[in-house]
Amino acid sequence: NAGVTQTPKFQVLKTGQSMTLQCAQDMNHNSMYWYRQDPGMGLRLIYYSASEGTTDKGEVPNGYNVSRLNKREFSLRLESAAPSQTSVYFCASSDQGQSTEAFFGQGTRLTVV
Amino acid sequence: KNQVEQSPQSLIILEGKNCTLQCNYTVSPFSNLRWYKQDTGRGPVSLTIMTFSENTKSNGRYTATLDADTKQSSLHITASQLSDSASYICVVSGGTGGFKTIFGAGTRLFVKA
Repeated sequence: NAGVTQTPKFQVLKTGQSMTLQCAQDMNHNSMYWYRQDPGMGLRLIYYSASEGTTDKGEVPNGYNVSRLNKREFSLRLESAAPSQTSVYFCASSDQGQSTEAFFGQGTRLTVV
Repeated sequence: KNQVEQSPQSLIILEGKNCTLQCNYTVSPFSNLRWYKQDTGRGPVSLTIMTFSENTKSNGRYTATLDADTKQSSLHITASQLSDSASYICVVSGGTGGFKTIFGAGTRLFVKA
């Protein structure tokens, strides 16, 4: 089993460009999440999907959109990248909600110049 | 305000020594507390999860303790190995007015030969 797979691993964007981060899990989990990790701070929730067909805003949703394509896949889109979105992005999944054990992807290191 | 504070920020120990990392939280009411290990360039991996009724849980050389009365947790690492060099993240779930999961900023542990 691959667990949670994120692509790409690294990306450099120019301000104003758009991109989509892809995430897929093969554990048949109901819930999926997108977090960002910045130096000196804990992971912060951007968006989550409690189950297939639903998405909800997390703590820092501005500038992002998400799509729960099916039970396996949950993508994160930056429509117009800004330098403040330079960060490491993690996708995660869990069986039932945020309070249960989450499994994380390897992360995407995004730099916006 | 719900918060999770970890100390120390970073720690250097010699291989074979023991160490203890601290986590204080203000999340109330409390649901559960998790410790994750994050290797450099990787996503976090779950070590332990504890609910209100549990005050200690072990995973190999890792032992987590929880004092729900004082809202404190610790992670004790016994006979450290070079592979223990990583960030250790405390995560607390709970809260009122909307269930929350809050990540601490982590403790960066360096184990030297």
